Amino acid sequence: DAGVIQSPRHEVTEMGQEVTLRCKPISGHNSLFWYRQTMMRGLELLIYFNNNVPIDDSGMPEDRFSAKMPNASFSTLKIQPSEPRDSAVYFCASRHREAGELFFGEGSRLTVL
Amino acid sequence: AQSVTQPDIHITVSEGASLELRCNYSYGATPYLFWYVQSPGQGLQLLLKYFSGDTLVQGIKGFEAEFKRSQSSFNLRKPSVHWSDAAEYFCAVGANNNDMRFGAGTRLTVKP
Repeated sequence: DAGVIQSPRHEVTEMGQEVTLRCKPISGHNSLFWYRQTMMRGLELLIYFNNNVPIDDSGMPEDRFSAKMPNASFSTLKIQPSEPRDSAVYFCASRHREAGELFFGEGSRLTVL
Repeated sequence: AQSVTQPDIHITVSEGASLELRCNYSYGATPYLFWYVQSPGQGLQLLLKYFSGDTLVQGIKGFEAEFKRSQSSFNLRKPSVHWSDAAEYFCAVGANNNDMRFGAGTRLTVKP
C-alpha cells in the first residue's frame, strides 16, 4: 500500500519565483495536513483539510501561501512569490477519520536563494 | 487550542541505558496522544498512540508511554536504548476531525 507521496523531494529556486508543492494522500484517508519544519520553529501546522474542505488555515504565514485540495487524492501548497525565509522542509500528512494518527510523506525540502 | 511541551531539547544516553522523554500537554477534552520518531532526512513515523483504556501503551521498537491525566503527561520510555534509536522524537496531541499539534521535539544522542 503506497504511503503519502510528495513531490518534488527537493526544490531550489530563486527569490520571487513561484513554488508549487504536491501531495497525494493515502487512498481512503479523508484528512490532509500541511506542516512546515525549520530548525528555529520546529513543526508548524500550516493548514488542514477534512473531506477536501479547508478547516483551519490560521497557520499559513501570509498571503503568499495558498493551499488547495481539488479532490480526495491531491493537494497543492503554493508560495508566490517565494522568499529566502520560506526555506524549510514541507511535510504533507493524511489521516483516516477513525484512525487518529497521521501518516507522513517524506517531505519536500525547499531552498529559496 | 491544544498544545504540547517537550521540556528537553536534547538528551544524551549511553547505549544500554534506560530512557525517558518527557511530554506535557494542554487540551480541553480527553486527548489523543502520540509519539513520533524522525530520522535525519526522513518523515515522521508513529511509535505509539493513546486514545483510551489502559494508560500504559506499547509501541514499536520496544518503546512504551504512560498517560497520566493528573499530571497532563505522556512520557515515552525504553528500558534499554540501542544506537539506532538516535533520532528526533516528537510528542503530539490531537483528535479525530481536529488538528494535531506537535511539541518542539527532543533530539536523542546515544553514546557507545
